[in-house]
Amino acid sequence: NAGVMQNPRHLVRRRGQEARLRCSPMKGHSHVYWYRQLPEEGLKFMVYLQKENIIDESGMPKERFSAEFPKEGPSILRIQQVVRGDSAAYFCASSPERGGRGIQYFGAGTRLSVL
Amino acid sequence: QQQVKQSPQSLIVQKGGISIINCAYENTAFDYFPWYQQFPGKGPALLIAIRPDVSEKKEGRFTISFNKSAKQFSLHIMDSQPGDSATYFCAAIGGSTGNQFYFGTGTSLTVIP
Repeated sequence: NAGVMQNPRHLVRRRGQEARLRCSPMKGHSHVYWYRQLPEEGLKFMVYLQKENIIDESGMPKERFSAEFPKEGPSILRIQQVVRGDSAAYFCASSPERGGRGIQYFGAGTRLSVL
Repeated sequence: QQQVKQSPQSLIVQKGGISIINCAYENTAFDYFPWYQQFPGKGPALLIAIRPDVSEKKEGRFTISFNKSAKQFSLHIMDSQPGDSATYFCAAIGGSTGNQFYFGTGTSLTVIP
């Protein structure tokens, strides 16, 4: 029973390129959350998705960032035209329950470095 | 604006001692308070959680104390062990939409033998 799988584990991009981060939730989980963690800081909520729907994107920057969770396949966090300030660890979590009141299982994260 | 304030930022405890980490929140719409443990290079893992209608919850060596009127909650690790050395995050769930998830800034715990 695989846990939450994130790939790649490390991603290096130059300024202006696009970054695509993937998250496969645990089997049977239909709710996905994305978080960003900057050095010496806690995790910041970005977006909450259910299959084919964005439930809450109040933590997402208005520009350059988007997320999707298609009916088939992993959830994708997409960052267009990356800047150095986007360098961070991005974590995905999944839950079988709406609202996150149940247990959220986290992946190991994708560490994005923007040169 | 930090929705959940956590202290201390770092903590060093002798093996066998008690580790205490504190968190405070403002938004009374939060209704679920988990604690997560994170080892370097790994994602956070749920440790223990509490709802505001309970003042204390204990699981093994880990205890959450919850003070609803003060809007504070704390994690106590009894008989701390070197294997407990990790970063601990408190969190609060709920908020205006009912499904937002806010983390504290983390406490780096080091348990020395």
